[in-house]
Amino acid sequence: GNSVTQMEGPVTLSEEAFLTINCTYTATGYPSLFWYVQYPGEGLQLLLKATKADDKGSNKGFEATYRKETTSFHLEKGSVQVSDSAVYFCALISSGTYKYIFGTGTRLKVLA
Amino acid sequence: AAGVIQSPRHLIKEKRETATLKCYPIPRHDTVYWYQQGPGQDPQFLISFYEKMQSDKGSIPDRFSAQQFSDYHSELNMSSLELGDSALYFCASSLMTGANTGELFFGEGSRLTVL
Repeated sequence: GNSVTQMEGPVTLSEEAFLTINCTYTATGYPSLFWYVQYPGEGLQLLLKATKADDKGSNKGFEATYRKETTSFHLEKGSVQVSDSAVYFCALISSGTYKYIFGTGTRLKVLA
Repeated sequence: AAGVIQSPRHLIKEKRETATLKCYPIPRHDTVYWYQQGPGQDPQFLISFYEKMQSDKGSIPDRFSAQQFSDYHSELNMSSLELGDSALYFCASSLMTGANTGELFFGEGSRLTVL
């Protein structure tokens, strides 16, 4: 079946450090891939998405590239801020289904 | 722009009582999802509806039931509440038809506390 595997957290970084959160997936067909973010006390919100191979999603300085050859969708940011502290979820949905598959979430803490 | 509306935002119940949570999806969205998030836990998928029909079922206890109505709002009914049901319950909606990518839009959640 379809699945998403994320690197385990928590991840603790200093402000302005480079961030990578790894995400790999298993899916049949051509899934759409997403990163969602959950700030403390809030619901999940879409951070970025990619719908086909080699697409790059980007938002708020975050980027992720849909790599079909390595079945990966790693999240990166060149310089993190304290306000980026949150839990990040990688997710996929396979075409023709309504079933979202979420990863287990990676907690990021950025220190000033 | 209209967002996903959940009510109530906070609810306190005693053990063995019942509770009903409501979700109003974004207009014209055809799919609704329910998730449960315990303290410090990741969201767990409970159930989803597409065009008012149940489309998928996750780890929803038998004590819980849900439905989507003709106006597309959805309700999650929880009976015989247990302490372990205390959690944040999220509703999300999406538009799955056409060329849409199916991104989820989450509500702010309903926090249920069972005493």
